[in-house]
Amino acid sequence: KNQVEQSPQSLIILEGKNCTLQCNYTVSPFSNLRWYKQDTGRGPVSLTIMTFSENTKSNGRYTATLDADTKQSSLHITASQLSDSASYICVVSPGSNYKLTFGKGTLLTVNP
Amino acid sequence: IAGITQAPTSQILAAGRRMTLRCTQDMRHNAMYWYRQDLGLGLRLIHYSNTAGTTGKGEVPDGYSVSRANTDDFPLTLASAVPSQTSVYFCASSPTGTNEKLFFGSGTQLSVL
Repeated sequence: KNQVEQSPQSLIILEGKNCTLQCNYTVSPFSNLRWYKQDTGRGPVSLTIMTFSENTKSNGRYTATLDADTKQSSLHITASQLSDSASYICVVSPGSNYKLTFGKGTLLTVNP
Repeated sequence: IAGITQAPTSQILAAGRRMTLRCTQDMRHNAMYWYRQDLGLGLRLIHYSNTAGTTGKGEVPDGYSVSRANTDDFPLTLASAVPSQTSVYFCASSPTGTNEKLFFGSGTQLSVL
């Protein structure tokens, strides 16, 4: 069964600090891995999409990495801001948007 | 720029009642999707549509139906609501059904009592 496991479940950090969120997957076949940010009460918003051949991709202070050999990805947030408080969801695609596997998300809280 | 609009924002519904959740997009995307999001679970696909006039079943389609009469609208209907359908429902779209990112609406919080 295809699975996406995210860790930690939740994380609290101080404003200005960096953090790294983890995603391990067992999805086959694999086409791309996506990270979404979901603010409370809102729909998810895309941060990055990485294909098999991409090791890293950045979107402002967000940097995602992918190791397709070990089936692991991470999302690194630099110099966190209060607005980074959200749930971060890892999603793996086999090539079709109708067969996406979603992780349960990591809830990040950034405190002043 | 509207993107995807969902209505209503929230609804409390008696069990056994019929309910239609509305979803409209103005991006001219071909593919549209309905997901439900429950505490402790990842988003799960209910139904999808590859293009106007076609629909398909996702992971959890039972108790739900959809239609796609045109490109912009993709309503989700609960014919006879049950308490297990209490959830947050998200509509999403993408240019095609392959490797583009999804654009999500703001969701509908539905409580079935």
